[in-house]
Amino acid sequence: AQSVTQLGSHVSVSEGALVLLRCNYSSSVPPYLFWYVQYPNQGLQLLLKYTTGATLVKGINGFEAEFKKSETSFHLTKPSAHMSDAAEYFCAVGGAGRRALTFGSGTRLQVQP
Amino acid sequence: GAGVSQSPSNKVTEKGKDVELRCDPISGHTALYWYRQSLGQGLEFLIYFQGNSAPDKSGLPSDRFSAERTGGSVSTLTIQRTQQEDSAVYLCASSLPKTGETTYNEQFFGPGTRLTVL
Repeated sequence: AQSVTQLGSHVSVSEGALVLLRCNYSSSVPPYLFWYVQYPNQGLQLLLKYTTGATLVKGINGFEAEFKKSETSFHLTKPSAHMSDAAEYFCAVGGAGRRALTFGSGTRLQVQP
Repeated sequence: GAGVSQSPSNKVTEKGKDVELRCDPISGHTALYWYRQSLGQGLEFLIYFQGNSAPDKSGLPSDRFSAERTGGSVSTLTIQRTQQEDSAVYLCASSLPKTGETTYNEQFFGPGTRLTVL
């Protein structure tokens, strides 16, 4: 069984500040981990993913995430927030043999000017 | 088309009616998924199709929900005797064929169908 917990349904940061969106997972098999972003009235877009190899993964729009097995975490970060980063972010976990993803409940990011 | 398309974009129906939601995956993508996104919740897996294999229906919430995929391309999700709790955004995604247990192909999502049951 797999599950995902995203801490904080809403996060607000100032433009230029660090963005940190938290994600913890549980999985009985080696996990594949994903972050998706959903802009208003649009579908989900893949930001980045971890499958195997390097635990620090870089994605689009300056985002990155680090897989920490000991902490069962996959937090998303960006050094400097931009107004265009305002959206909803979803963490998801998949595993070998199970192709469908298990999603967290999402974190809505607000960026204040 | 360039991406996954879904129709209709919005559907309002009365309780007890049947609805059909359509998904056109990206050409060449043999894997297709349906998810449901309810207000304030994450995405909930409903059903998964992979080529000619039997679909994974483990996420369907009740026997009022069914889906088919004709010709390995277009898929239709049908909800019979709709209830108010079925109101949600229904998302379809597709991906390239599965090539092994250790690979994971990106799922590309459509814009969704917003279903409102009155």
